[in-house]
Amino acid sequence: QLQLQESGPGLVKPSETLSLTCSVSGDSISTSSYYWAWIRQPPGKGLEWIGFMYSSESFYYNPSLESRVTISVDTSKNQFSLKVKSVTVADTAVYYCARCGRHNFGDFYPFWGQGTLVTVSS
Amino acid sequence: SYNLTQPPSLSVSPGQSASITCSGSKLGDKFVSWYQQRPGQSPVLVVYQDTKRPSGIPERFSGSNSGNTATLTISGTQALDEADYYCQAWDSSIHVVFGGGTRLTVL
Repeated sequence: QLQLQESGPGLVKPSETLSLTCSVSGDSISTSSYYWAWIRQPPGKGLEWIGFMYSSESFYYNPSLESRVTISVDTSKNQFSLKVKSVTVADTAVYYCARCGRHNFGDFYPFWGQGTLVTVSS
Repeated sequence: SYNLTQPPSLSVSPGQSASITCSGSKLGDKFVSWYQQRPGQSPVLVVYQDTKRPSGIPERFSGSNSGNTATLTISGTQALDEADYYCQAWDSSIHVVFGGGTRLTVL
């Protein structure tokens, strides 16, 4: 059964870099042809797609965040990661990792992690 | 950038049908999914590829998508359906976009 688990610091200072990791069990990131995504939700607000990767080689980002965001993968640990640089209080959110439901397309996400709250504050 | 518009809130009486709309330019040309999110929980997929239901989702959840509007319909709404609902669109150019969400109240 596929499971995703986010991890990382819960508190980040303004102007610093937010770093999170999604650990995957029940599927192999390196061999699967699925889209693996990061999505966030500020407190009391809606969902926002951050970006996703496909086949550990292709990376796509929300245009509104692209200049500050990087997704990377560690196939040896079956993990993928998110970095958001130069954070502000507006980056305070619950961050989710998720996997798409069908091969080769990024159209729907049945599998989500539990989410991790990251607060940006000095 | 591509935008999806949902009504912020909707109220329905138990047993009635609830229709939540999601509007966007030529939305009917894109795949639409719907997610239910209860407080403090991760989103749950309830409809995908416009009209399909994942296994385990009750038949009272259904979807449609045509023109500029997609609709999630909950027939015979129950108290446990009270939650936030998000539409999400995908195609190869916009990638993934979420609507602002609709809070469904069952009273």
